[in-house]
Amino acid sequence: AQSVAQPEDQVNVAEGNPLTVKCTYSVSGNPYLFWYVQYPNRGLQFLLKYITGDNLVKGSYGFEAEFNKSQTSFHLKKPSALVSDSALYFCAVRPDRGSTLGRLYFGRGTQLTVWP
Amino acid sequence: NAGVTQTPKFQVLKTGQSMTLQCAQDMNHEYMSWYRQDPGMGLRLIHYSVGAGITDQGEVPNGYNVSRSTTEDFPLRLLSAAPSQTSVYFCASSYLSKQGSPIYNSPLHFGNGTRLTVT
Repeated sequence: AQSVAQPEDQVNVAEGNPLTVKCTYSVSGNPYLFWYVQYPNRGLQFLLKYITGDNLVKGSYGFEAEFNKSQTSFHLKKPSALVSDSALYFCAVRPDRGSTLGRLYFGRGTQLTVWP
Repeated sequence: NAGVTQTPKFQVLKTGQSMTLQCAQDMNHEYMSWYRQDPGMGLRLIHYSVGAGITDQGEVPNGYNVSRSTTEDFPLRLLSAAPSQTSVYFCASSYLSKQGSPIYNSPLHFGNGTRLTVT
């Protein structure tokens, strides 16, 4: 079965410090991995994706994510957090095969709070 | 370019009432889908469509109907609302390409959601 786990419901970090939001996955075949961000009362916005190639993926707003195949992880990172990064972050995986065409499997979300 | 537009933004229904949540996109996306978001549950797929006239069920389809008569629109119908359908509903769309399997590469574009309360 396909699944995504975000082990932390909440991550708190001081502004200027590095941040990491964790994600692990279980999927049949090769995974296509995504990070989305949700601000209050808004829909989800695409941040970055991993398809193939370099394990370090760079995305919007200075975020990057590291794909680790052996650990089946896709952790979101940022070298220096901003207060404006405070939001709900979702990891999602899309298998490269399966019965539900194009379906994304989402984690439960991690609330990131950056303190000034 | 409006992206994905959902209406209404808020709705309160009584148990047993019916309503339609509207979703429209102006990006010529073939793929459209409906998710519901509940606290601590992530997003769960209700129904999806890969083109006009083609729909299929997702993870939690019971109590919901969809149709896709045009590329732009993908309405979600609640036939007889129940308190368990209290949730935030998101419509999302993406490209479907015929070259290799790049559909899997295309990120979803989300609307801003409809907050539904069923009393």
